Amino acid sequence: EIVLTQSPGTLSLSPGERATLSCRASQSVSSSYLAWYRQKPGQAPRLLIYGASSRATGIPDRFSGSGSGTDFTLTINRLEPEDFAVYYCQQYGSSSWTFGQGTKVEIK
Amino acid sequence: EVQLVESGGGLVQPGGSLRLSCAASGFTFSSYWMHWVRQAPGKGLVWVSRINDDGSSTTYADSVKGRFTISRDNAKNTLYLQMNSLRAEDTAVYYCARGSTGGSFGYWGQGTLVSVSS
Repeated sequence: EIVLTQSPGTLSLSPGERATLSCRASQSVSSSYLAWYRQKPGQAPRLLIYGASSRATGIPDRFSGSGSGTDFTLTINRLEPEDFAVYYCQQYGSSSWTFGQGTKVEIK
Repeated sequence: EVQLVESGGGLVQPGGSLRLSCAASGFTFSSYWMHWVRQAPGKGLVWVSRINDDGSSTTYADSVKGRFTISRDNAKNTLYLQMNSLRAEDTAVYYCARGSTGGSFGYWGQGTLVSVSS
């Protein structure tokens, strides 16, 4: 099973700043099968990025994803109030789906 | 509009059983793989199980294999999760999710809470 490790655990930033979140896999992940989600308190997760870099429907362009192999990044430009939440990366491979442990983006 | 509405959660004793349902609308249910994902209180997301579009193929996380059964009724646009031999560590919010491009989860329900305690 591929293990995804996200860093940092918590990111303290101010509205308008840029957030850079990391997701590292224990073995190579196909870029086609790497996704990112945002989960606000008390809500279900929402798909942001699939295929490592493609934005899901309705996701603003301040969200971007990049990376390949074992290292992937989610960048959020110009943090909005609704962006202070927990973010998860997720991969699919060999009929198994795994998530990272999450990165919390909090208001500084 | 895609909607997924879970039901069936509640409090159950260890060793007990529960069946969760997920009513789907706003899309052609029979064309999509469906999943269950859970989240223990204050913890992260964990994938539980998946079923293909016609129900002929299923996959489970090791932690629930042999105890949980995923199924679907395409005529009723409904996904199920039969949970037997429940343990305290199964306590979580259970989400149903629609499979999407590249193995992602494109849409999620609001979740239903399962609490396993004596």
